[in-house]
Amino acid sequence: DSGVTQTPKHLITATGQRVTLRCSPRSGDLSVYWYQQSLDQGLQFLIQYYNGEERAKGNILERFSAQQFPDLHSELNLSSLELGDSALYFCASSVELGPNYGYTFGSGTRLTVV
Amino acid sequence: DQQVKQNSPSLSVQEGRISILNCDYTNSMFDYFLWYKKYPAEGPTFLISISSIKDKNEDGRFTVFLNKSAKHLSLHIVPSQPGDSAVYFCAASYSNTGNQFYFGTGTSLTVIP
Repeated sequence: DSGVTQTPKHLITATGQRVTLRCSPRSGDLSVYWYQQSLDQGLQFLIQYYNGEERAKGNILERFSAQQFPDLHSELNLSSLELGDSALYFCASSVELGPNYGYTFGSGTRLTVV
Repeated sequence: DQQVKQNSPSLSVQEGRISILNCDYTNSMFDYFLWYKKYPAEGPTFLISISSIKDKNEDGRFTVFLNKSAKHLSLHIVPSQPGDSAVYFCAASYSNTGNQFYFGTGTSLTVIP
């Protein structure tokens, strides 16, 4: 158990629907990151939050949004889902900012859009 | 645009021998590099890192080498053990991006007993 909790572990939904993925960071970690791993792809950075504020945005579609709440948990909202959104979505956390602080990853949410 | 590339999707090595996993990057501004290991149904776990001011970092059986002029890094595992069988991702970052890492597509290592 890495200490980063992601729910649900698996999600199957239809095209056009909306889903919410949840992440609880490791205790004491202020930064939360969301990554997407599609088939045969590396992990693609989506978005980063630090202590409730958005700090960096990567290749996140406009149909996707995220937030970090006062208790530091984060949610990734995916709407108007398309088949191509099927992927593994990982959440990671770190105690601080800066590249010297490696991430701790959760075990991921596997999203299947049918 | 894949800024970090792992061109070998898979690698098989005999137990006890050396495993060498390679990674190339295109962005010369990257100044920090990490390797992560991932088992099935688990998230990636941090393995070893190296700063651009170094060319080598060791941690037990794992050594990472960085060749900045070639924009190439490699992970050596000696001796390889069956428990090392996993997917290995390299990742790179540069200071201006805060803590955003760019990941390669991974190399699946199989250590044969």
